Amino acid sequence: ETGVTQSPTHLIKTRGQQVTLRCSSQSGHNTVSWYQQALGQGPQFIFQYYREEENGRGNFPPRFSGLQFPNYSSELNVNALELDDSALYLCASSLLDGQGTYEQYFGPGTRLTVT
Amino acid sequence: DQQVKQNSPSLSVQEGRISILNCDYTNSMFDYFLWYKKYPAEGPTFLISISSIKDKNEDGRFTVFLNKSAKHLSLHIVPSQPGDSAVYFCAARATNTGNQFYFGTGTSLTVIP
Repeated sequence: ETGVTQSPTHLIKTRGQQVTLRCSSQSGHNTVSWYQQALGQGPQFIFQYYREEENGRGNFPPRFSGLQFPNYSSELNVNALELDDSALYLCASSLLDGQGTYEQYFGPGTRLTVT
Repeated sequence: DQQVKQNSPSLSVQEGRISILNCDYTNSMFDYFLWYKKYPAEGPTFLISISSIKDKNEDGRFTVFLNKSAKHLSLHIVPSQPGDSAVYFCAARATNTGNQFYFGTGTSLTVIP
């Protein structure tokens, strides 16, 4: 059973640029959630994808968008990068059933620095 | 608006003693709670969870207690081991808001050998 993987590990971008982060879900999971963790803070929910559709969104602007693919891997895209977007971006996969989403299994994260 | 709060940024405990990590929440609709452990340069690792229909859940050295009237949960680690040194996050979910999990800001636990 493979765990959640994310790429790249680190990334440096300039303000105004666009970035794409990638995530591969744990085997058997059908749901991917993305979180932003700023320094000294807990993870903040960006959005969740289930069966290739957005299935919930946190308080993030539309320039944060995502995709989920048929193999349940996912991308997080951020347009018009701002300095405050500098953070650790975490991907978490889980199994969503009729009772809701339970334990989420996190990847190691992508550290994004915007200069 | 921080709906899940961990008011102690850090905690130091002697090896073998009990570690108690606390978490408070404001949303009475939260129905599922989890604790995660995070080592540097790694993603959070699921530790233990509890449903709102229970007040206690135990898994080995780890026990989570839920006090719904006080909107408070705690994680007890007995006995504490040096390998338990990490940042601990509590998280909560409300079914009526979909599948969004709300995380606290974390408590850094140091277990002193």
